[in-house]
This record gives sequence, C-alpha cells and structure tokens, in this order.
Amino acid sequence: ETGVTQTPRHLVMGMTNKKSLKCEQHLGHNAMYWYKQSAKKPLELMFVYNFKEQTENNSVPSRFSPECPNSSHLFLHLHTLQPEDSALYLCASSPQLLGADQYEQYFGPGTRLTVT
Amino acid sequence: EDKVVQSPLSLVVHEGDTVTLNCSYEVTNFRSLLWYKQEKKAPTFLFMLTSSGIEKKSGRLSSILDKKELFSILNITATQTGDSAIYLCAVESYNAGNMLTFGGGTRLMVKP
Repeated sequence: ETGVTQTPRHLVMGMTNKKSLKCEQHLGHNAMYWYKQSAKKPLELMFVYNFKEQTENNSVPSRFSPECPNSSHLFLHLHTLQPEDSALYLCASSPQLLGADQYEQYFGPGTRLTVT
Repeated sequence: EDKVVQSPLSLVVHEGDTVTLNCSYEVTNFRSLLWYKQEKKAPTFLFMLTSSGIEKKSGRLSSILDKKELFSILNITATQTGDSAIYLCAVESYNAGNMLTFGGGTRLMVKP
C-alpha cells in the first residue's frame, strides 16, 4: 500500500460523457502529479500541483481539466475525450516538488480509462 | 487484480556499492516487464524484459526476468551519486489494451 489511492480503478466512457478521476493521499505531501501512460509509450507528465497551485501544465488538451481543492486531493475532470485518450492515468505525490535532491515520490495504482 | 510489488521501499548506499532492486508481480496474461528511472518529474525508460533468463545490460545497469518465479531484479554496480532516483517497475499485460501496472518504486540514495 503506497498511501496514494485512485478511484475509479477502471472507467469506460463515451466521447460525449463527462467523468472525473480522483486521487487522494494522506501522507502529508505538498506536491501532486497526474501522469498518462499509453500503450507502448513512456510515461507522460500532465500536470503538477504544489500547495494546491498548478505549477506545470505539459501542453495538455483542454478536454483534461485538473482540480486540486487541497493538498490531499487531486481530480482530473474529463469531457469530450477521444479514443486515443484511452490510457492508464497515474497520480503521484511527493513531500516537496521533485528537484535535484528531491525524488521521493509515491504513485497510486492508476485508473485504466477506455474511451469508446 | 494485477499486482506489482517492489522491494526494498528505500535504500541508502555509498558510492561504489552494488545494489539489487527487486520486483515481483502477479499478472494475468503477462506480456512484458519494464524498468524506469525517475529523477526528475517524468520517469525515463531503462529496460523491457519479455523472456526469462536473458540479461539485459546497459553500462552499469543490468536486469533479468524470471517468469517462473514471477520476479525481476535490477542490478546497479559501482553506484554513483547520479544513480540516486526512484526506480519503478511496471508489468504489461495483454488485458485491457496492454496497459501497465506499476509497483510503488524503490527510492535509492547514493551518498558520496
């Protein structure tokens, strides 16, 4: 158990649906991250939040909308997705933002998203 | 449900030491096992293993897979401070579009 939970674990949605992915950590971490893992591609960083403020948006399409209401919770709101958005979406947290000496990061189990 | 467990959770060594990181898995319809190194925000790919007993090597890093016992190890010899990172193991299955299941990572710190 890594301490980072994600719900739902599996999600199938149509292109016109609106859904949200949830990530939760009670590790006392200040930074949270969304990653995308597509089949046969490296992990892609999507968003970074530090103390509830977004510090990085890695050119992610606007159909993905993150929300961080507090340091323990992170959401990814999804709307009008495309089939190529089908992937594993991983949430992670770290005590501080990752940097030169900071690489303590914990991953959640991921949400497997299928867009039909 | 597919499961990947890495050990140890964290490790502190001194430069020059050799380390072995472990990854065990329970996955239906196994396809491959991947190792990543994460030192910045996005992990970088190290190895992909599909066959048992065949060692993959890249410089001081090497990895091997045992599909009978369902585990893999990642070895790093003559460690350097630049090896300090999180090492992630992930297993790919033929289920659900070849998606990955990640382990929790091993946090390696190499001291001078």
